[in-house]
Amino acid sequence: LAKTTQPISMDSYEGQEVNITCSHNNIATNDYITWYQQFPSQGPRFIIQGYKTKVTNEVASLFIPADRKSSTLSLPRVSLSDTAVYYCLVGLYNQGGKLIFGQGTELSVKP
Amino acid sequence: GAVVSQHPSWVICKSGTSVKIECRSLDFQATTMFWYRQFPKQSLMLMATSNEGSKATYEQGVEKDKFLINHASLTLSTLTVTSAHPEDSSFYICSASRSENTEAFFGQGTRLTVV
Repeated sequence: LAKTTQPISMDSYEGQEVNITCSHNNIATNDYITWYQQFPSQGPRFIIQGYKTKVTNEVASLFIPADRKSSTLSLPRVSLSDTAVYYCLVGLYNQGGKLIFGQGTELSVKP
Repeated sequence: GAVVSQHPSWVICKSGTSVKIECRSLDFQATTMFWYRQFPKQSLMLMATSNEGSKATYEQGVEKDKFLINHASLTLSTLTVTSAHPEDSSFYICSASRSENTEAFFGQGTRLTVV
């Protein structure tokens, strides 16, 4: 499984767009990129997944450059409730739930 | 959507006793479930793969006699922490998915405190 590198923490203010970048230089051809969100004392929650270019859903957007060695999770107009840890994972499509988590990025949204 | 539920949400036990944590898939059958452990301010660490009808597969460094896993039905996996010690205090989380190619759903986690 490809190793991922993310910033340990980020600060933002309500209403701003937040971009969290993840590096995965050793991503394999068949690997997908998946982002999870975790609130304190809760299990992680799936946010978005992509293979290349751009993916958008009601929660976030995921930008993946052509070389796929990095990806950026974009959260539009964050609110206080978006304060959480965000994990970037790289591996086979969903892998049936067997996921290897990196350190994650602790996002703190301030009023 | 699919829901994975854990019970209990938190438990406090005395050192030397055993604690059982349940993980249920509420609206789908899961032949495979996964157990993770998370210490404060750290990431999730995969402990083991729970396989319905067969033995669990443990990750390197996880004691199988310490963390007993039983997957007796397609909707229930249990993790028993045997002879618990304070260092076993942690947040235990399970996950499951409808199939190998669909997203994983996580339980709400179980906070174990061993005193």
